[in-house]
Amino acid sequence: EDKVVQSPLSLVVHEGDTVTLNCSYEVTNFRSLLWYKQEKKAPTFLFMLTSSGIEKKSGRLSSILDKKELFSILNITATQTGDSAVYLCAVGAGGTSYGKLTFGQGTILTVHP
Amino acid sequence: DAGVTQSPTHLIKTRGQQVTLRCSPKSGHDTVSWYQQALGQGPQFIFQYYEEEERQRGNFPDRFSGHQFPNYSSELNVNALLLGDSALYLCASSSYPLDTQYFGPGTRLTVL
Repeated sequence: EDKVVQSPLSLVVHEGDTVTLNCSYEVTNFRSLLWYKQEKKAPTFLFMLTSSGIEKKSGRLSSILDKKELFSILNITATQTGDSAVYLCAVGAGGTSYGKLTFGQGTILTVHP
Repeated sequence: DAGVTQSPTHLIKTRGQQVTLRCSPKSGHDTVSWYQQALGQGPQFIFQYYEEEERQRGNFPDRFSGHQFPNYSSELNVNALLLGDSALYLCASSSYPLDTQYFGPGTRLTVL
């Protein structure tokens, strides 16, 4: 069965700190890894990664995938209170599981002023 | 550009009742997936519809069923509701064969 594990489960930091969120996975027929930010209800898409070693960057957020060690990290630099949210990692598989995203349990990030 | 929309926002039902949730995908998307998110957990995949057919299904009982219409909108039906069905139900749309799924705001279902 496909499995995605995120760590830490929760994190409390102060504005300006840099955080690293982790996601490890065990998936048959891996296709892609996606990061989402969930504040109230709708998860908002951040990144999709398919190739190892290529960093995706958007403003203060960046992410990279290691397909050999089966993990990804999401970095947030110079954190702001608006970064407080649940960050979800999901993996998309191919073959008979194509179309299904398997999610981790999420990391709750709290940024204090 | 309208994103994914869902209705209703909130719903309260009693055990044994049936419920229908609705979803309209993002403009240009042809695939709709449904997820159940219990409090404090990540979303769990229920099923996916493409070309009006169920293409993938997660580990959910037959009480959970769905439909996709020719305009790509979709419904999720849950019969014989149980207390454990209380959750946030999320709809996500995508454009086959791409993996990126965009989520709607969800429907909060409470079963009493």
